[in-house]
Amino acid sequence: EVQLVESGGGLVQPGGSLRLSCAASGFTFSDHYMDWVRQAPGKGLEWVGRTRNKANSYTTEYAASVKGRFTISRDDSKNSLYLQMNSLKTEDTAVYYCAVGATGVDAFDIWGQGTMVTVSS
Amino acid sequence: DIQMTQSPSSLSASVGDRVTITCRASQGISNYLAWYQQKPGKVPKLLIYAASTLQSGVPSRFSGSGSGTDFTLTISSLQPEDVATYYCQKYNSAPFTFGPGTKVDIK
Repeated sequence: EVQLVESGGGLVQPGGSLRLSCAASGFTFSDHYMDWVRQAPGKGLEWVGRTRNKANSYTTEYAASVKGRFTISRDDSKNSLYLQMNSLKTEDTAVYYCAVGATGVDAFDIWGQGTMVTVSS
Repeated sequence: DIQMTQSPSSLSASVGDRVTITCRASQGISNYLAWYQQKPGKVPKLLIYAASTLQSGVPSRFSGSGSGTDFTLTISSLQPEDVATYYCQKYNSAPFTFGPGTKVDIK
């Protein structure tokens, strides 16, 4: 079964840091681009960023709202994706999903269950 | 950056009605457009990609059309289980922006 499982969410103070993880299974993780998407409470979906695969030099892209504060990385040996979040703001409060086009489509056909990040003092 | 808009922002329709949601990109994106369904408290689900290709397992009452800047998602006969928020997303190039969503409920 193709599956993504996020972890690492929690409560953090403004200006703090948090690292999210996403464990992948059921597909060849190393072949695929991987993305993070977030959803603030009661709001819509916001794309956060992407890491490409080794064949594309693991290049990354970020939304303007997180560029310079968030870093996406991956460990293909562990089938894992990461999101390092620094200088967190209250507006970063959201459910964070990892997502992938695992079955040959370019859109996101597989999503994790999400992990909640709350930035509050 | 390309902006994505959707209309309407919400709609209420009867079971069996034909429902159409529109998504517009501020610049052309060819057919790099996906539609997602998110039911309350659930994870988004891919319905359609490449503007008109139905994802495996999605009921055939869902269909998509369009190219360039204007796209539509149609539910041919609305069912109670279709109550959800629907999002379009561009994926031709970063940022892979989502539309603001259209909330669909039953009248």
